[in-house]
Amino acid sequence: DAGVIQSPRHEVTEMGQEVTLRCKPISGHDYLFWYRQTMMRGLELLIYFNNNVPIDDSGMPEDRFSAKMPNASFSTLKIQPSEPRDSAVYFCASSLTGRSNYGYTFGSGTRLTVV
Amino acid sequence: AQSVTQPDIHITVSEGASLELRCNYSYGATPYLFWYVQSPGQGLQLLLKYFSGDTLVQGIKGFEAEFKRSQSSFNLRKPSVHWSDAAEYFCAVGEFQGAQKLVFGQGTRLTINP
Repeated sequence: DAGVIQSPRHEVTEMGQEVTLRCKPISGHDYLFWYRQTMMRGLELLIYFNNNVPIDDSGMPEDRFSAKMPNASFSTLKIQPSEPRDSAVYFCASSLTGRSNYGYTFGSGTRLTVV
Repeated sequence: AQSVTQPDIHITVSEGASLELRCNYSYGATPYLFWYVQSPGQGLQLLLKYFSGDTLVQGIKGFEAEFKRSQSSFNLRKPSVHWSDAAEYFCAVGEFQGAQKLVFGQGTRLTINP
């Protein structure tokens, strides 16, 4: 099991540019979560999917942020246009339905720097 | 809404000493509780979780945690820490009402003195 795979690991971009973060969940997992981690705000849930369907996007900070899950093995988080305050570590996590399975597996994160 | 408080932002202990990291939660029903560890530059790794039953749960890397409903606490413990335990530790609470949303505390950074 390769775990949750995120790419890229690091991204440096200029303000105003579009940024796309990618995530491959663990095969068979039916939940996928996007979190953002900053020193000031800690871990914030941005959006999560169940069976590829977005369930709750109330944590998405602005319309500049969008997320998709076109199939069970791939999700993207896009920021357009990016701003310096979007600089953070973005984590993807997945999990499997079922009480005994409750608890995420996290990817290693994408460190985004917007200059 | 559920919430988690980790009162200690930073803790320093000596190698070989015992450790207790505090976590208090707010949740109306029986919570699902978790501890995660994050090493620098890495994602979060699940240490242990509590759903029901025995209030003392064992996890990986020699960690354990005790659920105390009367105190709304879920403190993490280890009898003897190793230098490799230096990391950030997160407590989380979740609901199981058709969704698996977790709310995380702010984290406690653990430093180990040699």
